[in-house]
Amino acid sequence: QKEVEQDPGPLSVPEGAIVSLNCTYSNSAFQYFMWYRQYSRKGPELLMYTYSSGNKEDGRFTAQVDKSSKYISLFIRDSQPSDSATYLCAMSAFRAGNMLTFGGGTRLMVKP
Amino acid sequence: GAGVSQSPSNKVTEKGKDVELRCDPISGHTALYWYRQSLGQGLEFLIYFQGNSAPDKSGLPSDRFSAERTGGSVSTLTIQRTQQEDSAVYLCASSPTTASPSGANVLTFGAGSRLTVL
Repeated sequence: QKEVEQDPGPLSVPEGAIVSLNCTYSNSAFQYFMWYRQYSRKGPELLMYTYSSGNKEDGRFTAQVDKSSKYISLFIRDSQPSDSATYLCAMSAFRAGNMLTFGGGTRLMVKP
Repeated sequence: GAGVSQSPSNKVTEKGKDVELRCDPISGHTALYWYRQSLGQGLEFLIYFQGNSAPDKSGLPSDRFSAERTGGSVSTLTIQRTQQEDSAVYLCASSPTTASPSGANVLTFGAGSRLTVL
């Protein structure tokens, strides 16, 4: 079993929909949680970062962490076709950037 | 540079040949990371450098893989005697340091080098 599980999708939604992306994990030591967005043939780019449990909002994006359930979510409101990409969750037990553990990514398609 | 630059962007090679992949990190970034992304898979950590030193080589899949970094800048990932299972996108990332007082370190990724071994 992988340390971080993520549904690969694809997830197809109409423009304007609310999107929910999720990851579960097994390592209780994880305390830094990130969401990366990766467009086709591009490198991942950091979208959201949270520490420990709680919510964080940035524009149309909200990241939630529930450490008790070992479950993290990314919500996208008013989804746009430009949001079509693969979304990767990543997490770490330490501040250091090495040994980030990534989920396999969820491919999202937002149709006009 | 403005971003992390990787070359070549695409490489097709025959089984058994050696390949070199290059990464030019953001100027001033002391930490450099190599990851591998296979089709439909998440990112697999390979190695990271702090300056020219590689404190963590735990992710290198076999002794056919090696990496070096010179001058605290450019890094080269070398794969010897390539195998078909080496086919993947090799991603390089850099960050200002391995640890930040404010929290987890933010990695900036390059676009990757897509390796196909025939």
